[in-house]
Amino acid sequence: EAGVAQSPRYKIIEKRQSVAFWCNPISGHATLYWYQQILGQGPKLLIQFQNNGVVDDSQLPKDRFSAERLKGVDSTLKIQPAKLEDSAVYLCASSRTGLAAYEQYFGPGTRLTVT
Amino acid sequence: GESVGLHLPTLSVQEGDNSIINCAYSNSASDYFIWYKQESGKGPQFIIDIRSNMDKRQGQRVTVLLNKTVKHLSLQIAATQPGDSAVYFCAEGSSYGQNFVFGPGTRLSVLP
Repeated sequence: EAGVAQSPRYKIIEKRQSVAFWCNPISGHATLYWYQQILGQGPKLLIQFQNNGVVDDSQLPKDRFSAERLKGVDSTLKIQPAKLEDSAVYLCASSRTGLAAYEQYFGPGTRLTVT
Repeated sequence: GESVGLHLPTLSVQEGDNSIINCAYSNSASDYFIWYKQESGKGPQFIIDIRSNMDKRQGQRVTVLLNKTVKHLSLQIAATQPGDSAVYFCAEGSSYGQNFVFGPGTRLSVLP
């Protein structure tokens, strides 16, 4: 089966600019996750969707970050305006629901550099 | 690709030896634990998982041990190969795929 797709792979922007990342999960996976991975650290969950509903967005900085999954498939994560500390890799993952939800499949990530 | 974990703890092992990577988890309520492998420029890849009602689980060349008393998890890799070189993360959460928290990671370096 095709894996999780993300684009772009790399993005360089200046602080205060806006940026958007796109994710296409594995077909049939109802749950979609966005993680932020700062260099040298483990991934940190930003938001979790089940179908098109938000399950957990407790660690999403809502003053600047937003995410949507309108049709329960693809998802977009946006940062507006970006700060220097947003430089990180943004990972998207998807999983099935229920007791199989633990096995998350990750995409390659988008590396964001804010200058 | 980018480097993952430039300042992570590093475990260096000789090719063919066994590797043991340790992890301390934080939430006593977590009932599901996973080990992930992350190679440079790639997303984490699932290796093996274990539920809180177990203390040991074996896969192909890998074994995960869980000690709930001291909230400790370990990953054992038998006959370590060059392809095992990567950053390894433990993650804890609920068995329904919620509340996942990743540990800081350990870089495994396999020496020829």
